[in-house]
Amino acid sequence: QLQLQESGSGLVKPSQTLSLTCAVSGGSISSGGYSWSWIRQPPGKGLEWIGYIYHSGSTYYNPSLKSRVTISVDRSKNQFSLKLSSVTAADTAVYYCARRPTVIPYFDYWGQGTLVTVSS
Amino acid sequence: AIQLTQSPSSLSASVGDRVTITCRASQGISSALAWYQQKPGKAPKLLIYDASSLESGVPSRFSGSGSGTDFTLTISSLQPEDFATYYCQQFNSYPDTFGQGTRLEIK
Repeated sequence: QLQLQESGSGLVKPSQTLSLTCAVSGGSISSGGYSWSWIRQPPGKGLEWIGYIYHSGSTYYNPSLKSRVTISVDRSKNQFSLKLSSVTAADTAVYYCARRPTVIPYFDYWGQGTLVTVSS
Repeated sequence: AIQLTQSPSSLSASVGDRVTITCRASQGISSALAWYQQKPGKAPKLLIYDASSLESGVPSRFSGSGSGTDFTLTISSLQPEDFATYYCQQFNSYPDTFGQGTRLEIK
């Protein structure tokens, strides 16, 4: 059974960089047919897609966040990562990682989510 | 970006009721739509993909329909565990977008 687990700093100061990692178990991040995604949800609000990375390393980002986002993959550790720079209070959210099949690109497996608070 | 508008935003219903949630896209998305269920403090769970395909393990009381711009999620007979928030998601055009959610509450 595929499992995804987010980790990283739960508190980030304004203007700094948010860094999260998603560890994948029960499957290889290097296998074809999937992309690996980040999605966030501000407290009490809806879902926002941040971006995803294919096994090839190609990345796609939400245009609203593109200038601040970097998603990368570490195949040796079977994990992928998110960096979001110049954060503000508006970036406070629960951050989820998820798997996205390439052929029909819904999100089929999700991590449990991790709350990141931006505050001084 | 394609906008998805769900209606209603919230809904009160009773166990055993038949419930329908609508998702309307700002432009045609063929059948590239998924539905998710989210309970408080939990990650969303995939229910329906490709507008009408039931994800493995999801009870058959859940069904989806539609294509183009108008889609529906139907729960044929509400069970206590179905009270949650439901989101639609389109994956026809970059970037992926989600509806604002429909909160289903117990009457």
